Amino acid sequence: DAGVTQSPTHLIKTRGQQVTLRCSPKSGHDTVSWYQQALGQGPQFIFQYYEEEERQRGNFPDRFSGHQFPNYSSELNVNALLLGDSALYLCASSPLALAGGLHETQYFGPGTRLLVL
Amino acid sequence: AQSVTQLGSHVSVSEGALVLLRCNYSSSVPPYLFWYVQYPNQGLQLLLKYTSAATLVKGINGFEAEFKKSETSFHLTKPSAHMSDAAEYFCAVTAKAAGNKLTFGGGTRVLVKP
Repeated sequence: DAGVTQSPTHLIKTRGQQVTLRCSPKSGHDTVSWYQQALGQGPQFIFQYYEEEERQRGNFPDRFSGHQFPNYSSELNVNALLLGDSALYLCASSPLALAGGLHETQYFGPGTRLLVL
Repeated sequence: AQSVTQLGSHVSVSEGALVLLRCNYSSSVPPYLFWYVQYPNQGLQLLLKYTSAATLVKGINGFEAEFKKSETSFHLTKPSAHMSDAAEYFCAVTAKAAGNKLTFGGGTRVLVKP
């Protein structure tokens, strides 16, 4: 059973460019969340997708956008890249929603390391 | 709003010694609490979780954590450190009212000395 997968593993971009990161959730999972982990810090929540809609959003600018496809996979797009966007981007998936609310446990992928020069 | 504070950004232990990593949380609603481990250049691996059942939670690799509501703490312990325990550990909190959004602490890097 494959876990959460992300592509690419590493990426180098220059300021002002745009980037797309991809995530495939664990089998049986339908909720995908994205996190940004800057060097030496804990992950910070970007946004969450469920039923192909953005359900929650953290404190990130509109340059960060996403999408979820019918097969539950997801993309994270970042426009007008800044040096400060250099980080490890983590995707996490959760099992099918429980009656009464989303499942509480998230499983993380290996991440995509983005370097902006 | 929820928050997590991990006391000590770095912890050094000798192989075979007790590992104790401290985590205090703040939450206005009943929390779910997690410990994740991150090895160099890898993603996060779930060690254990508290979801309002037993307050003493056992996880993988011999780790356990105890939820203490009165102290708003969820400290992680392992009786005997192994060299393979060298990694960064993150405590995280969420709640149903938070819609499954995880809030992480700053992490504690564990160094194991032979």
